[in-house]
Amino acid sequence: ETGVTQTPRHLVMGMTNKKSLKCEQHLGHNAMYWYKQSAKKPLELMFVYNFKEQTENNSVPSRFSPECPNSSHLFLHLHTLQPEDSALYLCASRGSTGPGLKQYFGPGTRLTVT
Amino acid sequence: RKEVEQDPGPFNVPEGATVAFNCTYSNSASQSFFWYRQDCRKEPKLLMSVYSSGNEDGRFTAQLNRASQYISLLIRDSKLSDSATYLCVVNIGGATNKLIFGTGTLLAVQP
Repeated sequence: ETGVTQTPRHLVMGMTNKKSLKCEQHLGHNAMYWYKQSAKKPLELMFVYNFKEQTENNSVPSRFSPECPNSSHLFLHLHTLQPEDSALYLCASRGSTGPGLKQYFGPGTRLTVT
Repeated sequence: RKEVEQDPGPFNVPEGATVAFNCTYSNSASQSFFWYRQDCRKEPKLLMSVYSSGNEDGRFTAQLNRASQYISLLIRDSKLSDSATYLCVVNIGGATNKLIFGTGTLLAVQP
């Protein structure tokens, strides 16, 4: 149904592990976003890429490292995470120009840090 | 003050009821407005955009009052399938067209 896919859908990792989340959009969009959704909190914007260039880093700790090799793919590399980083990580994409253009979300990766 | 504020609910209503959600936002420069719906353990999905003139999509009516910085969503003839969290979302524009999300209002429609 959605033109934005994310893998894996679920991930359990220890605090010393390194893992990566992947997002792919099939909508021909130019902007891609990473959000974090923790329980009882609103979605928090983490990173924004426009035409593969990072245009926003919302004070995210360096243990989260984004990568955008092209306009269709976005990665979030994770290392030495903390238990409080457990959350739903959502990727979104958006077409170019105009504030009214909507963002479309992927299904998310539910991350548990043990 | 939160950038986007909503009553978290839950709103427990019987099938067929009319229910209204309200939302306020703090950034007067906000440019566009949306309601998203999020089912349990799923991603948010766009329900509808919100315009100053008011707009309707079937049983759903959205309204924006820029002077009061207030957004509303009205659901008529509630269905069981309407049960979800409704997110008020504001686009503050700029280079990234940043979306600010409210915490959401939980709706539970009872049979």
